[in-house]
Amino acid sequence: GQQVMQIPQYQHVQEGEDFTTYCNSSTTLSNIQWYKQRPGGHPVFLIQLVKSGEVKKQKRLTFQFGEAKKNSSLHITATQTTDVGTYFCAGRATDSWGKLQFGAGTQVVVTP
Amino acid sequence: NAGVTQTPKFRILKIGQSMTLQCAQDMNHNYMYWYRQDPGMGLKLIYYSVGAGITDKGEVPNGYNVSRSTTEDFPLRLELAAPSQTSVYFCASSYSTGATGELFFGEGSRLTVL
Repeated sequence: GQQVMQIPQYQHVQEGEDFTTYCNSSTTLSNIQWYKQRPGGHPVFLIQLVKSGEVKKQKRLTFQFGEAKKNSSLHITATQTTDVGTYFCAGRATDSWGKLQFGAGTQVVVTP
Repeated sequence: NAGVTQTPKFRILKIGQSMTLQCAQDMNHNYMYWYRQDPGMGLKLIYYSVGAGITDKGEVPNGYNVSRSTTEDFPLRLELAAPSQTSVYFCASSYSTGATGELFFGEGSRLTVL
């Protein structure tokens, strides 16, 4: 079945630095979503990518969908303490109903 | 507009007990989902529903049951609680699975089975 893998599992970042988290699917996706979960909170939708090669920006966050629609990345520039949390990607397969398959997430810790 | 509301927020069960986690949404969403999240792990789909009267199994349905008698409510039933069901449970809803298929999550229900 479809599998979605995220790397790295953990990311320690110095405040002000940039980092990237990657998401890879074993199958072609119809779309991919990214969510952020603060410690002790619930996942909150950030963005959805649909088109091959699509790039979207939200302030310091840049999201990219691969040309083959099997991978995605989230790049954060000038990391702030408010970026702390776990970032999940979730992919929708192209077949049938297309349930969302979540990756295991990248837990981000920011050091001031 | 409350969004997705889950109750209870916390619960401790003894092995073999039963309980129902309640989930309600007021956004008139057709699609509803139950996920479980184990420490340091992603979200695993337990059951989902595409509309009132229609439910189907997700990745990890064993030990759970659901019903969807109305658009608003999607309760999750644990019949014989086991320690392996200790987890945080999230209910979610979405308008569709297409371009507007973002998931709205409830605040979660933390369940401990001892």
